[in-house]
Amino acid sequence: GAVVSQHPSRVICKSGTSVKIECRSLDFQATTMFWYRQFPKQSLMLMATSNEGSKATYEQGVEKDKFLINHASLTLSTLTVTSAHPEDSSFYICSAMGLAGASTYEQYFGPGTRLTVT
Amino acid sequence: AQSVTQLDSHVSVSEGTPVLLRCNYSSSYSPSLFWYVQHPNKGLQLLLKYTSAATLVKGINGFEAEFKKSETSFHLTKPSAHMSDAAEYFCVVSVGAAGNKLTFGGGTRVLVKP
Repeated sequence: GAVVSQHPSRVICKSGTSVKIECRSLDFQATTMFWYRQFPKQSLMLMATSNEGSKATYEQGVEKDKFLINHASLTLSTLTVTSAHPEDSSFYICSAMGLAGASTYEQYFGPGTRLTVT
Repeated sequence: AQSVTQLDSHVSVSEGTPVLLRCNYSSSYSPSLFWYVQHPNKGLQLLLKYTSAATLVKGINGFEAEFKKSETSFHLTKPSAHMSDAAEYFCVVSVGAAGNKLTFGGGTRVLVKP
């Protein structure tokens, strides 16, 4: 149980185009999903917190108009990188918050999406 | 505010020898602490977590960690390293429940020599 998928796993796009990444909770409902970014050989940095049916909360320094997040259902959140540039190339990882026991929650991570902007 | 410091960016061990990954945290409130493992180009897998119960936490694949409040540490250990343990390890802190905002340490890359 508690499986999170991401699609696509890898994407290459040209500079100036937009790319959409999907994050799905496959066997549970997630009212909250998180989006992280990981540069090579670095740690994960939280970009934004996404709550179903409401606007995402972005971390300081993350451009909300560049990284559009939509959480339209309890099992799907999408991250759209608009007008992508080479510096946006990174590994994007989502997580979904789900019940880990009777009353405890845990973040379950997706396998990540490698974005390369040429 | 909360923060995590992983004291070693790289650790190299021989197969069959113990592994120690060091982690110190800072938190204004009672924290939840986690260790995650990431294999190359993969997502994160939870090894173990501390959420204010027993201070010695046992996880998967033979890993365990001890929460020491006086030292603000949560070091990860394994008695005998296996080749499959070669990966990146992240110590993570969260204030309150596990579903809250996570703060990641810088990561420790483990190399296991045959």
